[in-house]
Amino acid sequence: GAGVSQSPSNKVTEKGKDVELRCDPISGHTALYWYRQRLGQGLEFLIYFQGNSAPDKSGLPSDRFSAERTGESVSTLTIQRTQQEDSAVYLCASSLAGVETQYFGPGTRLLVL
Amino acid sequence: GDSVTQMEGPVTLSEEAFLTINCTYTATGYPSLFWYVQYPGEGLQLLLKATKADDKGSNKGFEATYRKETTSFHLEKGSVQVSDSAVYFCALTTSGGYNKLIFGAGTRLAVHP
Repeated sequence: GAGVSQSPSNKVTEKGKDVELRCDPISGHTALYWYRQRLGQGLEFLIYFQGNSAPDKSGLPSDRFSAERTGESVSTLTIQRTQQEDSAVYLCASSLAGVETQYFGPGTRLLVL
Repeated sequence: GDSVTQMEGPVTLSEEAFLTINCTYTATGYPSLFWYVQYPGEGLQLLLKATKADDKGSNKGFEATYRKETTSFHLEKGSVQVSDSAVYFCALTTSGGYNKLIFGAGTRLAVHP
């Protein structure tokens, strides 16, 4: 079956613009996670969804970052007024509820000029 | 808070050499431990995992043993191949009822013929 998909695969934007990143999890996976991978670094947790609720938003770095999920499916990560330090690969992962193994999408590479 | 520390790379080996990538962790409770791998141009994939002390995870010739007494989960392979060249991430899941992953910084492995 289809894996986790993300779009766009690459995004170049100017400082100060808003961007939206999309994640389509594996069908039936109620848990969804967003992570960020800066160049040469490990992945940082951003936010966790169970269904359409986000019980853990502790990793969002500032109030410029927000995310939502609808229909227990697609999730959108929005970054407002982008800054150069937002440049990173944004990864989405999904899993069945209560199951530890997460399946990762290919990521969106964001470059803020 | 919970954290993962892994050896810095890059690690450069000749084909058929023995591989060890060190990983230690700090965590409250009893985390599960993981190794993820990111091959060039591909997404993050689960390589192996262990869910309790003394468990050994294994896959594709790689092994790692959950050592609670030394809080370690070192990755080993007896004979590496060029195709093993990738970035390897050690990770743990935090306690709290869901499976947020905390990652190490990653170790790049380059295997030469």
